[in-house]
Amino acid sequence: DSGVTQTPKHLITATGQRVTLRCSPRSGDLSVYWYQQSLDQGLQFLIQYYNGEERAKGNILERFSAQQFPDLHSELNLSSLELGDSALYFCASSVEGQGAHEQYFGPGTRLTVT
Amino acid sequence: GQQVMQIPQYQHVQEGEDFTTYCNSSTTLSNIQWYKQRPGGHPVFLIQLVKSGEVKKQKRLTFQFGEAKKNSSLHITATQTTDVGTYFCAGNTGTASKLTFGTGTRLQVTL
Repeated sequence: DSGVTQTPKHLITATGQRVTLRCSPRSGDLSVYWYQQSLDQGLQFLIQYYNGEERAKGNILERFSAQQFPDLHSELNLSSLELGDSALYFCASSVEGQGAHEQYFGPGTRLTVT
Repeated sequence: GQQVMQIPQYQHVQEGEDFTTYCNSSTTLSNIQWYKQRPGGHPVFLIQLVKSGEVKKQKRLTFQFGEAKKNSSLHITATQTTDVGTYFCAGNTGTASKLTFGTGTRLQVTL
């Protein structure tokens, strides 16, 4: 158990819909990262937050947005869903926001868009 | 943008054989990390290498960081069925904490 929690574990929804994925980082970690993992794309970095502020952005679609709240939990919002958005979404956390540090991954949310 | 490739994409070995995965970055890295993801699981941190030419060992696993800090390798001696999974390298540049993950190498070990 990494100490990072993600909800829900599974999500099935239809094209065009909007969903919210939730992540609680490990106690004491200030950085949260979101990744998308699909079969043919590996682990793609989406976005990083550090202590409530956006720190880095990856290949995140405009239909996707995220935020980190004062209690440090984070939410990833996916809207106008398409079939290609079906993937495993991981959240990870680390202590710091600068420099490379060990990242602790949550169990992931499996999103299926039908 | 930065790309990190790993070879091979997949390897199937008999238990007791050795295994090596290679990681190559299109840009010079500050640090490189290695993660293991078991089937159905999430990535788990194995190790971080920081210095050019650094070599680190963890029991049967040996990790190397290239002199130019653009490549790395993970070697497993005498594989066991518990080594099954996908191994990812991940690197960062400068002082960024954002990691670019490699394409991964899936290891299958049979008796």
